[in-house]
Amino acid sequence: AQKVTQAQTEISVVEKEDVTLDCVYETRDTTYYLFWYKQPPSGELVFLIRRNSFDEQNEISGRYSWNFQKSTSSFNFTITASQVVDSAVYFCALIPGFGNEKLTFGTGTRLTIIP
Amino acid sequence: DTGVSQNPRHKITKRGQNVTFRCDPISEHNRLYWYRQTLGQGPEFLTYFQNEAQLEKSRLLSDRFSAERPKGSFSTLEIQRTEQGDSAMYLCASSNSLGRHTEAFFGQGTRLTVV
Repeated sequence: AQKVTQAQTEISVVEKEDVTLDCVYETRDTTYYLFWYKQPPSGELVFLIRRNSFDEQNEISGRYSWNFQKSTSSFNFTITASQVVDSAVYFCALIPGFGNEKLTFGTGTRLTIIP
Repeated sequence: DTGVSQNPRHKITKRGQNVTFRCDPISEHNRLYWYRQTLGQGPEFLTYFQNEAQLEKSRLLSDRFSAERPKGSFSTLEIQRTEQGDSAMYLCASSNSLGRHTEAFFGQGTRLTVV
């Protein structure tokens, strides 16, 4: 069975601060895919990133960066110089194995950026 | 608008009534997914289609739930004899398989309230 844990239920930071959202995953598969989605108040899940288990390179996209560490089964997400528009619920998710299409989501982290 | 479209956005129904939701995926996407999200939780997988074939159903999908994708385009999710526990956000997503995992694009969801 697979599992995604987002231990931080809610985080509040002042605008322009950096913030890291934690994600720890469990799977027995050696091939798997990790995702981050953003869910603003409108409800639509917005795709942010996909990473496969063979690629441990960290990735940076503008103010967003992701740190994938297989040794600790973690896939953390950092927002640099946070903005009010970053306020949302963020979900980490996992697809275990090849040929499997089910996303297993964590419970999400509600991020509030205080102006 | 070329995103995933779900209708209705909100539905209030009395316990015991039947409801049907519709999802129109991104036109070139061959995979369509249904998820359910309750308050404070991440989305949970219900079922998915590749073209018109329903390839997997979660055990969350009881006998009262049925999903169809008759022509491999739009999909419907019907809940018969609704119960209060069915109150949730029902999310639809679509993706294009192309032989590898690609990101799923989500609609804004249908929020069901059973009274």
